[in-house]
Order: sequence, then structure tokens, then C-alpha cells
Amino acid sequence: DSGVTQTPKHLITATGQRVTLRCSPRSGDLSVYWYQQSLDQGLQFLIQYYNGEERAKGNILERFSAQQFPDLHSELNLSSLELGDSALYFCASSPVSKTGQETQYFGPGTRLLVL
Amino acid sequence: AQSVTQLGSHVSVSEGALVLLRCNYSSSVPPYLFWYVQYPNQGLQLLLKYTTGATLVKGINGFEAEFKKSETSFHLTKPSAHMSDAAEYFCAVSQTGANNLFFGTGTRLTVIP
Repeated sequence: DSGVTQTPKHLITATGQRVTLRCSPRSGDLSVYWYQQSLDQGLQFLIQYYNGEERAKGNILERFSAQQFPDLHSELNLSSLELGDSALYFCASSPVSKTGQETQYFGPGTRLLVL
Repeated sequence: AQSVTQLGSHVSVSEGALVLLRCNYSSSVPPYLFWYVQYPNQGLQLLLKYTTGATLVKGINGFEAEFKKSETSFHLTKPSAHMSDAAEYFCAVSQTGANNLFFGTGTRLTVIP
């Protein structure tokens, strides 16, 4: 158990809909990362937040957005869903932000299926 | 720009045999290198990482990896495979000033009894 929790574990929805994925980082970790794992694209970095502020952006679509709240939990919002958005979405956390050396601790993921 | 190449999307070894999973990286600055393992229906778990110092890094479950700058490689090895090693393994790179990881495409390890 990494200490990172993600809800829900599974999500089935229809095209055009909007969903919210939730992540609670390890106790004390200020940095949260979101990754997408799909058969087509592999594991891709989406976005990072550090202590409530956006710190880095990767291959995140404009239809997707995220935020980190004062209690440090984070939410990833996916809107106007398409079939291709079906994937496993991981959240990870680490204590700090920019050293590059930090171990990231991954949650169990949310499996999204868009029908 | 950073990237990671993992040679071999599938590797099969016999139980007790040497495990060798290959990873080559590309980075314009000194990289930090990681190996993560993903068991079925689970998240990723860190096996080991190289940041600075000793180039031979030992990790959990008997795995180790050697950073070879001249070859831009960070191959993962284990002397003797165990059935419980069957999983998908990901090599990743990051760099100073940016903590986000760039992952390779993964190698699925099968251990044959």
C-alpha cells in the first residue's frame, strides 16, 4: 500500500459526459501528479500540482483539467468524453516538487471506460 | 528533451534464470533514472532509482540496475527469476528542476516454471 488513495476504482460512462477522479496523496506529500495509461499512448504524464498550484503540464487535453485543494487532495476533471479517453488514470504523490530525484508513490488507479 | 526506450515489449525467462530488461534513455542533461514495477490490477511500485553517486543501484526484491553514461543505458537485472516477478516493468527518466516522469513503453516479464 503506497498511501495514495484514488476513487472511484472503476468508472463507466458515455461519450460526451463529464467525470471527476479524486486522489488523496500520502500524508505530508505536497506534490500530486496525474498520469494516463492507455494501450495506444502508454504511460503519459498529464499534470502536476504542488501545494495547490499548477507546477507542470504534460500531454493534457484542453477537455481535461485538474486542481489541488487546501487539504492537498486533487481532482482530475474529464469532460466531453470520447471513446479514446478510456484508460487507467493514476495519481502519484511526492514530498517536494522540483528536485527530480523524488520517488513518486502511485495510487491504484481509476479505470475509466467510455462507451 | 527526454525519452526512454525499452527494448522488448515481452520477455520470457525460466524460473531461476537471469532476468535482463533493457532501458536506454535520451536526455540533454544528467538524468535521474527509475525502474517501476506494475503487478496486474495494481499501481506502480518503485523498484530502484539512480540519482547521483554509485552507478550500480540495488533495489527491492533482488533487482539491480547499472547506470552507464557512455551507453546511455540503465538495464535492470536479477540473477534468478522467481514466479512472483511476473509483472510489467517500466523504465522512467526525470531531470533536475522537473519532477514529472517520462516512461518507456514497458516490458512484460513472464516467468516459466
